[in-house]
Amino acid sequence: KAGVTQTPRYLIKTRGQQVTLSCSPISGHRSVSWYQQTPGQGLQFLFEYFSETQRNKGNFPGRFSGRQFSNSRSEMNVSTLELGDSALYLCASSLASSASYEQYFGPGTRLTVT
Amino acid sequence: AQSVTQLGSHVSVSEGALVLLRCNYSSSVPPYLFWYVQYPNQGLQLLLKYTSAATLVKGINGFEAEFKKSETSFHLTKPSAHMSDAAEYFCAVSGEEGNNRLAFGKGNQVVVIP
Repeated sequence: KAGVTQTPRYLIKTRGQQVTLSCSPISGHRSVSWYQQTPGQGLQFLFEYFSETQRNKGNFPGRFSGRQFSNSRSEMNVSTLELGDSALYLCASSLASSASYEQYFGPGTRLTVT
Repeated sequence: AQSVTQLGSHVSVSEGALVLLRCNYSSSVPPYLFWYVQYPNQGLQLLLKYTSAATLVKGINGFEAEFKKSETSFHLTKPSAHMSDAAEYFCAVSGEEGNNRLAFGKGNQVVVIP
């Protein structure tokens, strides 16, 4: 099976712009979670989608949003970019929205905000 | 809320020596515990997981971890370090009702000295 894919891999944006990142989960996986990784804050949970519904949300401002499509692919959007949004954004997929299932991570999208 | 503590951001180990990475967790519910490894410019790869079936868990690449409830610990070990073990290692916990959110530790950057 193909792994989790994320596009694009690298992105450079300017403050104030918005950005959309894409994640394709492993075939058959219905849960997609997003994490932000920065040197200062480490890995932080953004949100999780299951069956096109947001199940959980982390402690991030409303500028961070996401959605999931009927084929389980997911997108996350960040509006009005700030310098502090520069990070590696990781997507993870699992069979279902349950803690007992492993989450498989994609390679990430490296976002740089200038 | 669940949390994980990993002490010592950088860990140096000689090739052939024991690798020991410490992880202590906090959880109000029976936890699921995971160790992930991250190589440069890559996503996270699952090394092993604890889901209450057995307290000693064997993972990939010769790693294993032991769950000790009395010590709220889930330390990762490998008897003999290889150069290819140089990477960043993250401990994570999940298990809260209704979600599969992972709470990560700050990570350990492992350096293998030849």
